[in-house]
Amino acid sequence: SQQGEEDPQALSIQEGENATMNCSYKTSINNLQWYRQNSGRGLVHLILIRSNEREKHSGRLRVTLDTSKKSSSLLITASRAADTASYFCAWGYIQGAQKLVFGQGTRLTINP
Amino acid sequence: EAGVAQSPRYKIIEKRQSVAFWCNPISGHATLYWYQQILGQGPKLLIQFQNNGVVDDSQLPKDRFSAERLKGVDSTLKIQPAKLEDSAVYLCASTQRAGTYNEQFFGPGTRLTVL
Repeated sequence: SQQGEEDPQALSIQEGENATMNCSYKTSINNLQWYRQNSGRGLVHLILIRSNEREKHSGRLRVTLDTSKKSSSLLITASRAADTASYFCAWGYIQGAQKLVFGQGTRLTINP
Repeated sequence: EAGVAQSPRYKIIEKRQSVAFWCNPISGHATLYWYQQILGQGPKLLIQFQNNGVVDDSQLPKDRFSAERLKGVDSTLKIQPAKLEDSAVYLCASTQRAGTYNEQFFGPGTRLTVL
C-alpha cells in the first residue's frame, strides 16, 4: 500500500496537556503536510514542511521531519477542547504530477 | 472568499443505482481533486484535474466511476452502477495551481450510503 502509518490511532488527553502524533511514510517526498478534520469544519490544512526542513512552528503546533527515517511528528501544546478532531499527515512527491497521499489519521480527544 | 462548494451533502441510494456529485472550487483555482474517504481511513485520491484536463486518474475505478470538469471550473463525479463498497464521503479539493508546495482546500464532502 502507498499509505504509511499514523501512530497512535487514537489519543485521549486532558485539556492543557501536550499531544504528539507520529506519521511514517514509504516513499521519497518533497513535502509533508498535516490536516485536521472535524465535523464542524471538514478537512483543513494546518502546516506544511518541506523535505529540506527539519522543524517548523505555527502557533501551538510544532512539526518535525526526519527524511532519513521517513517519519514526521506533530506536537500540539497546551491542548484545548476545540483541538478534538482527527489529524492526518499527507506526504507529497512527484510521480509524473505532484501527488499527495494521506495517512490513516489519529483521532484526538481532549477531555475538559 | 467563498470556499469549495459541494452538493448534495448526503445521498442514500440502492446498489446498482447511479449517483452524481457536484463540486465548485475556489474561484481561480486551476487544480481540482476528488477524494474518496471511507469511514476510519484517510482520503484516497480518485482523480486530479489541471484546468479541464486529467492529470492523474490512476486510482479511479473507471468501469463505474467517471468525472469531468467542463470549462475548467465546476466538476462532476459520477458512479454508475453503485456498489455497497462505494459507501464513503466524497471530498472535493482545489489548489490555486499545480505545484510542489501547495495546500489543498477541501469542501464539506458528500456522504454516500449505498444500501
